[in-house]
Amino acid sequence: GAVVSQHPSWVICKSGTSVKIECRSLDFQATTMFWYRQFPKQSLMLMATSNEGSKATYEQGVEKDKFLINHASLTLSTLTVTSAHPEDSSFYICSAPINPQRGGSYNEQFFGPGTRLTVL
Amino acid sequence: AQSVTQLDSHVSVSEGTPVLLRCNYSSSYSPSLFWYVQHPNKGLQLLLKYTSAATLVKGINGFEAEFKKSETSFHLTKPSAHMSDAAEYFCVVSVRLNTGFQKLVFGTGTRLLVSP
Repeated sequence: GAVVSQHPSWVICKSGTSVKIECRSLDFQATTMFWYRQFPKQSLMLMATSNEGSKATYEQGVEKDKFLINHASLTLSTLTVTSAHPEDSSFYICSAPINPQRGGSYNEQFFGPGTRLTVL
Repeated sequence: AQSVTQLDSHVSVSEGTPVLLRCNYSSSYSPSLFWYVQHPNKGLQLLLKYTSAATLVKGINGFEAEFKKSETSFHLTKPSAHMSDAAEYFCVVSVRLNTGFQKLVFGTGTRLLVSP
């Protein structure tokens, strides 16, 4: 199956600093990637849809200036949490579907292992 | 709007007994539905998916789910629980985007506990 990686797997930072999280599709190209946030013992909430070569689409209530998304290549999307605060501490997960033109399916997504962010 | 409701936050079973995890959906069109499993410190794994083909869907590890339109349900079952089945299970519905891709809406999750 397709593999999606995330880096780093965990990060601890001080309040007010920025943190960048990478999401890579290792063996396929992904024109679209998704970013989710999962608070402890809660469900996954979609934050934004990352589109290669264009602006990301953010879900209602997600601050686009705080969570910067860059999808600069067909295998890499980055999420930058700017001026992080303790309430941003969470588990961030990305996913990507394989384009149907390349044998994938619009409705099947492959998930990364997640990045645990702790803001002190 | 597309949504799913998982009726139980926790389900406890004994090893070897049947598993039933309940999920009801709300959709304005024929939905695509999924069950994902999340083991501690591991990534999400797709168990099975329904995309308007057969209403009884078989997945990995002996799990299956039945799509019942009349009841707007998509319950997950397994005949005999194994200790390794202990995990968090998410019922998921997809929402079509203009690009053709689909974003996922997750239920609140059901934690399955399996006792010896």
